[in-house]
Amino acid sequence: AQSVSQHNHHVILSEAASLELGCNYSYGGTVNLFWYVQYPGQHLQLLLKYFSGDPLVKGIKGFEAEFIKSKFSFNLRKPSVQWSDTAEYFCAVRLTSGTYKYIFGTGTRLKVLA
Amino acid sequence: EAGVAQSPRYKIIEKRQSVAFWCNPISGHATLYWYQQILGQGPKLLIQFQNNGVVDDSQLPKDRFSAERLKGVDSTLKIQPAKLEDSAVYLCASSFPPTFGPGTRLTVT
Repeated sequence: AQSVSQHNHHVILSEAASLELGCNYSYGGTVNLFWYVQYPGQHLQLLLKYFSGDPLVKGIKGFEAEFIKSKFSFNLRKPSVQWSDTAEYFCAVRLTSGTYKYIFGTGTRLKVLA
Repeated sequence: EAGVAQSPRYKIIEKRQSVAFWCNPISGHATLYWYQQILGQGPKLLIQFQNNGVVDDSQLPKDRFSAERLKGVDSTLKIQPAKLEDSAVYLCASSFPPTFGPGTRLTVT
């Protein structure tokens, strides 16, 4: 069955530290890839998306993600985190065949210390 | 552009009672999703509509959950009867990629 794995469930960083959150998926076909963020008390919001082309994708608020097809990975990065990045981050995969369903990972809770 | 609207925002019921959630998607969006998010987990797709037709309901517990989307606009999700394990946030989303509403937090006691 298709699945999305986020190996880091909780991450604590100090401000200005670099961030990398892992995301791996299991699906042999072509996929679209997404990162969503949920700030405390807010809705899930789209952070960035990948459909095709350049595997390095830039999103809002200085976030970027790199698609590595051979590793089935789509890791999220930010060179220097801020206290306001404290949130939960979800990786999602959209299958490009069948029902085109979205599958979400279990999320990574990031806490940035001021 | 108005976002996805959901109501109620919070609901507490006893097990074996029934409950209904309402969603109004972004205007003109043909695709509508209902997700269940249990504490500590990622959103799990319950049902996906394209206009008023069901595209995927493979993970909907059909013995107790039902959903409809009348006229391809608003949608309701119903649970009858509720179980303790149904306690979760129920998220509605529309469009591609999904734009999420605020969710309804259901507590079953």
